[in-house]
Amino acid sequence: AQKITQTQPGMFVQEKEAVTLDCTYDTSDQSYGLFWYKQPSSGEMIFLIYQGSYDEQNATEGRYSLNFQKARKSANLVISASQLGDSAMYFCAMREGQWLTGGGNELTFGTGTQLKVEL
Amino acid sequence: DSGVTQTPKHLITATGQRVTLRCSPRSGDLSVYWYQQSLDQGLQFLIQYYNGEERAKGNILERFSAQQFPDLHSELNLSSLELGDSALYFCASSPGGAALDNEQFFGPGTRLTVL
Repeated sequence: AQKITQTQPGMFVQEKEAVTLDCTYDTSDQSYGLFWYKQPSSGEMIFLIYQGSYDEQNATEGRYSLNFQKARKSANLVISASQLGDSAMYFCAMREGQWLTGGGNELTFGTGTQLKVEL
Repeated sequence: DSGVTQTPKHLITATGQRVTLRCSPRSGDLSVYWYQQSLDQGLQFLIQYYNGEERAKGNILERFSAQQFPDLHSELNLSSLELGDSALYFCASSPGGAALDNEQFFGPGTRLTVL
């Protein structure tokens, strides 16, 4: 089974509108972290926002917020007041709590959503 | 600028050849991760080193190997290259350890083209 599922290969949004990018995850761990990264056409990976599994509040970072619904295992990214510079690929990723049992803390990524912001 | 450097930026080589990709982590970060991004496989974790020791292994082919040196820089060696190894290879670094919220900082990537 896919650990991270992003069901929207592509999304369009008008400038200044809000947009929600979907992400669902699958883990049996109680401790895990969820991340969103942005990849513009230039290729670099830019960290946007983090949500921990025990965090009671939804994470926010400027125009980015994370709609975390633990029971549904979803961690949707909301971008408010979209700008042309938001056009990019967006990846949802998860880190599971394996460190204390000898594992690593690598990220597992979804397939990404290509967002296009239009005038 | 994430503080993670990768060289070279671009690499073009032929099938059957061997290449080495180099990564310098952010100052103070003990963990280095290698990821491969290709059209077929998406973004895949290859391997993690923590303070010189291999910590976790993902979908890394036997033809690929990596190491982390005492100064914490890392090298990813790809041998007997095939057309399908063409991809963007990212290095990332983080402090490592149990904290789940440690952000991974990604380098700019090395674009490998195998002809």
